Amino acid sequence: EVQLVESGGGLVQPGGSLRLSCAASGFTFSNYWMHWVRQVPGKGLVWVSHINSDGSTTNYADSVKGRFTISRDNAKNTLYLQMNSLTAEDTAVYYCARDRMVTNWFDPWGQGTLVTVSS
Amino acid sequence: EIVLTQSPATLSLSPGERATLSCRASQSVSSYLAWYQQKPGQAPRLLIFDASNRATGIPARFSGSGSGTDFTLTISSLEPEDFAVYYCQQRSDWPLTFGQGTKVEIK
Repeated sequence: EVQLVESGGGLVQPGGSLRLSCAASGFTFSNYWMHWVRQVPGKGLVWVSHINSDGSTTNYADSVKGRFTISRDNAKNTLYLQMNSLTAEDTAVYYCARDRMVTNWFDPWGQGTLVTVSS
Repeated sequence: EIVLTQSPATLSLSPGERATLSCRASQSVSSYLAWYQQKPGQAPRLLIFDASNRATGIPARFSGSGSGTDFTLTISSLEPEDFAVYYCQQRSDWPLTFGQGTKVEIK
């Protein structure tokens, strides 16, 4: 069974940093592109970042470019999102999602981890 | 950035009724459109990709159509478990974008 389990969320002060992790199992992680998508509670979905299978290519939403870094460790079957210079506007549930066979469709998704930026 | 506009914002229907959800793109996305379902407290689930292809395990009552800028998700006969929020998403260009969602609620 494919599983994606996010961790690392929590409360952080404005200007602070946080690193999210997404542990993957049930599939050959190194073969798949991966994504981060976020959702402010009660609001819509916003794509955040993408990484290809070997980590050589990444893409970011303009709202996080220069502050967030996506990476992966294929030996550990883990996806990361390093988030720096956080603001209140980054408060959201962060989902990791597997790409559906190099298509930029998200399937499946993890259960999400909540990041709250507040003083 | 490609903007996706979903309508209506809320659809109030009864079980057994047909649901028709719309997604309009600000520019052509060819057939590069997907639909997701999200229930309260859950992660989204892929329903339809490439405008009209059902994802694995998705019941046949869900169907997608359209190309270019106008797309439709149809649920032929609503089951109790179908009451949820539905999002469209395009992969035609970066950044990947979602519509704002349509809530299908019980009338």
